[in-house]
Amino acid sequence: GDSVTQMEGPVTLSEEAFLTINCTYTATGYPSLFWYVQYPGEGLQLLLKATKADDKGSNKGFEATYRKETTSFHLEKGSVQVSDSAVYFCALYYGNNRLAFGKGNQVVVIP
Amino acid sequence: NAGVTQTPKFQVLKTGQSMTLQCAQDMNHEYMSWYRQDPGMGLRLIHYSVGAGITDQGEVPNGYNVSRSTTEDFPLRLLSAAPSQTSVYFCASSYSNPRTGELFFGEGSRLTVL
Repeated sequence: GDSVTQMEGPVTLSEEAFLTINCTYTATGYPSLFWYVQYPGEGLQLLLKATKADDKGSNKGFEATYRKETTSFHLEKGSVQVSDSAVYFCALYYGNNRLAFGKGNQVVVIP
Repeated sequence: NAGVTQTPKFQVLKTGQSMTLQCAQDMNHEYMSWYRQDPGMGLRLIHYSVGAGITDQGEVPNGYNVSRSTTEDFPLRLLSAAPSQTSVYFCASSYSNPRTGELFFGEGSRLTVL
């Protein structure tokens, strides 16, 4: 079935470093893709989305490009801050009012 | 504007007990859903609703019941709790289906079943 796969393991990096979190998808057709973020003690919130191939979603300095040829939607930020420490989830809309979420990646930014 | 409100935030149950997790939203959203979040497994959809009187099953519906008598409320009922239902539960709502509408999440309800 339709699904997303995120890279394994937490990500620890220093402030102002470059962040990449990989996300690949398996789907029939051309699903809409999302990144949601969960800050400590809170529910998830939408970070960005893309609805068709080559679309670039962006928000708060984060970007992700919908790549049909590599079935990917990697999240990037050029210079992270301590406040970016959170869990990041890639998600895919697979029809029938349903979103499928990846396992999430814990990001820890050290001052 | 309260958004999505879940109660209780924490609950401990014994195996076999029943309980209801409450979810209310004040944004007049038609779409509401329940997810569970388990370590290493991300979020999995339990049940969802596209409007009052309409509900449908998600990925992991067994052991849970829902109803949607009003637009605002979408309670999740555990009929006979089992240790496998220990999890963090999130309610989410959207003004339209989640393809086009942003999902707004509550802060979660942490349930432990002994």
